[in-house]
Amino acid sequence: GQQVMQIPQYQHVQEGEDFTTYCNSSTTLSNIQWYKQRPGGHPVFLIQLVKSGEVKKQKRLTFQFGEAKKNSSLHITATQTTDVGTYFCAFSGAGSYQLTFGKGTKLSVIP
Amino acid sequence: NAGVTQTPKFRILKIGQSMTLQCTQDMNHNYMYWYRQDPGMGLKLIYYSVGAGITDKGEVPNGYNVSRSTTEDFPLRLELAAPSQTSVYFCASSYPGVVYEQYFGPGTRLTVT
Repeated sequence: GQQVMQIPQYQHVQEGEDFTTYCNSSTTLSNIQWYKQRPGGHPVFLIQLVKSGEVKKQKRLTFQFGEAKKNSSLHITATQTTDVGTYFCAFSGAGSYQLTFGKGTKLSVIP
Repeated sequence: NAGVTQTPKFRILKIGQSMTLQCTQDMNHNYMYWYRQDPGMGLKLIYYSVGAGITDKGEVPNGYNVSRSTTEDFPLRLELAAPSQTSVYFCASSYPGVVYEQYFGPGTRLTVT
């Protein structure tokens, strides 16, 4: 079935540096969602992207959906220690509400 | 609203034992899901339900069973526990709108030895 590849698997940054995680698919996606999971916590929804080329911002977070709808990215500007956690992308098939998750990118922020 | 609640938080089972993981949501969501998360991996869908009385298999259903008799509750049953079922189990719910974000419970950490 459809899958997404997330890169990198791990990222260590100094506090204040930027961070980007990528979610890539070999097939066209109807939508993409992003979730954040703090250490020891549960996934929390961040955003849903549906349109080709869509860009959405939430404070220091910028989400993009590629023009071909085969990739997406999450960029964090000037990371803070509160950004620590694992970021997952997930997608559902057309007409479906079931999500398939990527393996996630684990972000560590060094103060 | 309490959101999605799960019990127990932690459990240790011996091989061959059975147990039920409880999940309740108070948001009147039609859709409910069970996932398992193994270390360093994403979430894998075990079972899902689109409403009371309707359930269907996800990606990894073997060794598990579910039922959905009410909108609020979606218990997951493990029969004959095996070490491969050691994992963190998350229940989630969603409403089929334009943005169908999933709301997750706090998880149950299960160890089978």
